Amino acid sequence: GESVGLHLPTLSVQEGDNSIINCAYSNSASDYFIWYKQESGKGPQFIIDIRSNMDKRQGQRVTVLLNKTVKHLSLQIAATQPGDSAVYFCAESFSGGYNKLIFGAGTRLAVHP
Amino acid sequence: GAVVSQHPSWVICKSGTSVKIECRSLDFQATTMFWYRQFPKQSLMLMATSNEGSKATYEQGVEKDKFLINHASLTLSTLTVTSAHPEDSSFYICSAPGVSDEQYFGPGTRLTVT
Repeated sequence: GESVGLHLPTLSVQEGDNSIINCAYSNSASDYFIWYKQESGKGPQFIIDIRSNMDKRQGQRVTVLLNKTVKHLSLQIAATQPGDSAVYFCAESFSGGYNKLIFGAGTRLAVHP
Repeated sequence: GAVVSQHPSWVICKSGTSVKIECRSLDFQATTMFWYRQFPKQSLMLMATSNEGSKATYEQGVEKDKFLINHASLTLSTLTVTSAHPEDSSFYICSAPGVSDEQYFGPGTRLTVT
């Protein structure tokens, strides 16, 4: 289940389950959204992106859903593995990634065997 | 894929001294780079946009005289933390946009000010 830590909420899941990480973005003008994975002491790692003209995009084991009406973004990870344990951030931008990215608060995903 | 490096990966400095962090795009050119700061258990906060050949653009609340940014070439941006204090201790991360919209992030630099 979910719990709120000192700063980062944590999502705990069992290995093999599907994970859903949610994000609320702030700017209705944002037209490009990205999910990043960050492991401790490392820089963010690109997972998947989506533009505002799409509602859904799928990658390998990951799916991003975009609901512009309520400014909500979600990341679904299928068959979660221990290696998926990390902090996940959504980021928003407008006019493409050449403009600055604004990061969401982040969610820590803890995968238990 | 495109690679962004940072140097050093970690640094410890004494209060009142200055420290320089380098961000390099290794196999592509970047006219723009971004600098972020990340405190423990928090998100990345954009500090400034580094522009090759012109002044950096700082986000609201970021002191430009304290965090000096120089984008000396199409592959190098530097961030200098001047007169560092313990509250400047953080994880500093740079990024650069590639040919597509994707941004490539460096591995980060851990700064500890004692």
